[in-house]
Amino acid sequence: DGGITQSPKYLFRKEGQNVTLSCEQNLNHDAMYWYRQDPGQGLRLIYYSQIVNDFQKGDIAEGYSVSREKKESFPLTVTSAQKNPTAFYLCASTSGGYGQLTNTGELFFGEGSRLTVL
Amino acid sequence: AQRVTQPEKLLSVFKGAPVELKCNYSYSGSPELFWYVQYSRQRLQLLLRHISRESIKGFTADLNKGETSFHLKKPFAQEEDSAMYYCAFQGSARQLTFGSGTQLTVLP
Repeated sequence: DGGITQSPKYLFRKEGQNVTLSCEQNLNHDAMYWYRQDPGQGLRLIYYSQIVNDFQKGDIAEGYSVSREKKESFPLTVTSAQKNPTAFYLCASTSGGYGQLTNTGELFFGEGSRLTVL
Repeated sequence: AQRVTQPEKLLSVFKGAPVELKCNYSYSGSPELFWYVQYSRQRLQLLLRHISRESIKGFTADLNKGETSFHLKKPFAQEEDSAMYYCAFQGSARQLTFGSGTQLTVLP
């Protein structure tokens, strides 16, 4: 079954703990993205990666870190430095990375991970 | 800086009535614009893109460069159209910037 898989769906953590959210895709997409979705604020870009071993900060990268060691995987770590980590996190991917013209702008999204920090 | 504005957080219409979800953008170049939709308990998904000039599920959207708008329209709303709608913009950096979303409710 092709697509994007995020895990876990729900996660509870204590304040001060780092948390890693998983995102895996088998669509052979080059580019992957992490968004944060808050009520009334829409989707805000945290980090994105257009090719393996390379990634860029989005609009709200502070307190987050990512890695892109494999094409299929783009995990997001929410660190203790993130001031307001409780949110719904969405991972997405699309075809076409740097220098490629196949990026049509259509993002394929995972089902999301809801993180609650107690 | 590129920005997408959706002025309405909530919009309610009756079934069979026309619906228009507003989207305005600010960008100095040639934009690529999209509408994404998230139905209840489903993934966020692409509804339509302006370059395709297509009609999906009865929805259309026209890019108006003079007014820098990309409003989403449907002449006769259906209850199954109730969802969260996001306008999105792709600039030269090839990343999508999303608006804050409009929750559409179609009343019976």
